Amino acid sequence: GAGVSQSPSNKVTEKGKDVELRCDPISGHTALYWYRQSLGQGLEFLIYFQGNSAPDKSGLPSDRFSAERTGGSVSTLTIQRTQQEDSAVYLCASSLQRQGFFHFGAGTRLSVL
Amino acid sequence: RKEVEQDPGPFNVPEGATVAFNCTYSNSASQSFFWYRQDCRKEPKLLMSVYSSGNEDGRFTAQLNRASQYISLLIRDSKLSDSATYLCVVDTGRRALTFGSGTRLQVQP
Repeated sequence: GAGVSQSPSNKVTEKGKDVELRCDPISGHTALYWYRQSLGQGLEFLIYFQGNSAPDKSGLPSDRFSAERTGGSVSTLTIQRTQQEDSAVYLCASSLQRQGFFHFGAGTRLSVL
Repeated sequence: RKEVEQDPGPFNVPEGATVAFNCTYSNSASQSFFWYRQDCRKEPKLLMSVYSSGNEDGRFTAQLNRASQYISLLIRDSKLSDSATYLCVVDTGRRALTFGSGTRLQVQP
């Protein structure tokens, strides 16, 4: 498809379990971002990948969160030992190089019970 | 102080009204600015970028005031379909772009 694809669209998990969220960016987009949005809140920056450069992980809230981007394309966000406060919509966006014209995926709605 | 601040609203306006939102930013080195629109339970979508000279796209006008460090979005002749949350986005040149928390607009018939 032409857009950013995220999977799963919804994820319900139990507290303490690990989850993996996937993002397929638009082909050719070198920049990839992860944000999360809690209900009624703004977007919170998590991590940013730009080409082959080291990712900017400054937004990750704890060491339970990690992300990787393989082959400059698909990215996986992993949350270990999930907590209830991790419940949010996790949004992935890509852009052509580093600029503000983001294309967002539809997000993964994570619910931790 | 937050890097990017917006009045959360909601702004309740009748159809046909003109409404304006402001967004202030704290980093004077910020270089690029954008407005995004987010419908309820949907992902944000780019509405328009904000140029130093101001720019207009149909009923929407975006302006930048560097001296006072704010950007604005003006919507003329509001439509019901304009009801959404409007997010301002600021590029400070470091790491990823920073989103404001958004201003909610509700256009009423």
